Amino acid sequence: GDSVTQMEGPVTLSEEAFLTINCTYTATGYPSLFWYVQYPGEGLQLLLKATKADDKGSNKGFEATYRKETTSFHLEKGSVQVSDSAVYFCALSDGGYSTLTFGKGTMLLVSP
Amino acid sequence: DVKVTQSSRYLVKRTGEKVFLECVQDMDHENMFWYRQDPGLGLRLIYFSYDVKMKEKGDIPEGYSVSREKKERFSLILESASTNQTSMYLCASSFDAGEHSGNTIYFGEGSWLTVV
Repeated sequence: GDSVTQMEGPVTLSEEAFLTINCTYTATGYPSLFWYVQYPGEGLQLLLKATKADDKGSNKGFEATYRKETTSFHLEKGSVQVSDSAVYFCALSDGGYSTLTFGKGTMLLVSP
Repeated sequence: DVKVTQSSRYLVKRTGEKVFLECVQDMDHENMFWYRQDPGLGLRLIYFSYDVKMKEKGDIPEGYSVSREKKERFSLILESASTNQTSMYLCASSFDAGEHSGNTIYFGEGSWLTVV
């Protein structure tokens, strides 16, 4: 079945550091790929998505490129802020009804 | 903005009680979902519904049931709550994607359930 593997956290960075959170996936079809973010005490919000190979999703300074050859969708940001501290989930949707398969989440902690 | 509203943010229930978690969305979405979130396990799909009165099991349906009598409302039911159902429950909704899997799913803020 489908699965998503993302790097374990927590990832601890200083403000303005470069961020990479790795995500790889296994799917039988041609999935769409997503990054969701969860701030403390809140539900999940869509951060960005890509629906086909070589697409780049971007939002709020975050980027991720759909790499079919490496089955990856790594999240990057050039300069993180304290307000980026949250849990980040990589997910895929493969087929009908938009059901999502999630990775286990990566906590990001950014210190001033 | 899409609004997915979960009626209870925090609940404490006793073992064996019947528990109802209610969810309402205001965007006329066809699809609705219930996920469970646990530390180290991420989010796991319990049930989803693609139309009124229709439901499909997700990855972990055991111990749960659902009800969708109206398009905007999707309820998760724990028939007899147990301590291993202590968790964060997230409701979500989306438009019908058909064969296209790229539709965004919108989440509620979550319901923290503690079973004692």
